[in-house]
Amino acid sequence: DSGVTQTPKHLITATGQRVTLRCSPRSGDLSVYWYQQSLDQGLQFLIQYYNGEERAKGNILERFSAQQFPDLHSELNLSSLELGDSALYFCASSVPIDTYNEGTDTQYFGPGTRLTVL
Amino acid sequence: AQKITQTQPGMFVQEKEAVTLDCTYDTSDQSYGLFWYKQPSSGEMIFLIYQGSYDEQNATEGRYSLNFQKARKSANLVISASQLGDSAMYFCAMREGYDMRFGAGTRLTVKP
Repeated sequence: DSGVTQTPKHLITATGQRVTLRCSPRSGDLSVYWYQQSLDQGLQFLIQYYNGEERAKGNILERFSAQQFPDLHSELNLSSLELGDSALYFCASSVPIDTYNEGTDTQYFGPGTRLTVL
Repeated sequence: AQKITQTQPGMFVQEKEAVTLDCTYDTSDQSYGLFWYKQPSSGEMIFLIYQGSYDEQNATEGRYSLNFQKARKSANLVISASQLGDSAMYFCAMREGYDMRFGAGTRLTVKP
């Protein structure tokens, strides 16, 4: 158990709908990352938050948004869902392990939310 | 351009033997981190080992070691004394600043 929790575990919805995925980081971790894992695209970084503020953006679609709250939990909002959005969505949180090597935080992943869009 | 390349889609190893999973990366940065993660069939991503670009020594964590060859830009994972529970997908990843990239993964099957 990594200490990162994600809810729900599974989500089935229809095209055009909107869903919210929730993540609670490990105690003490300030950074939260969101990833999408699909069969055709592999594992892709979506976005990072650090202590409530957006820190980095990856391949996140405009239909997707995220935020990190004062208690450090994070939510990923997916709207106008398409069939191709079906994937496993991971949240990760991090602790820095090398202060001389910026950005080399070790990320601990949650169990993921499997989203199925029908 | 592909940042992380894992050339072995699938590998087989006999229980109790060692196995090496290949990973090459592409970067022009001097400061970066290399990671290996394991994804069992249950789906979770489990952190295994980390190597910083400035680290002189190869990283080791229990039965896992990382064979880091900086000039060749390779970061191969060595699993010693394979166990049945090691059967899983293994992903190599690189962090440059705030960008984290993953390879396509290698599916390892440990045979009894």
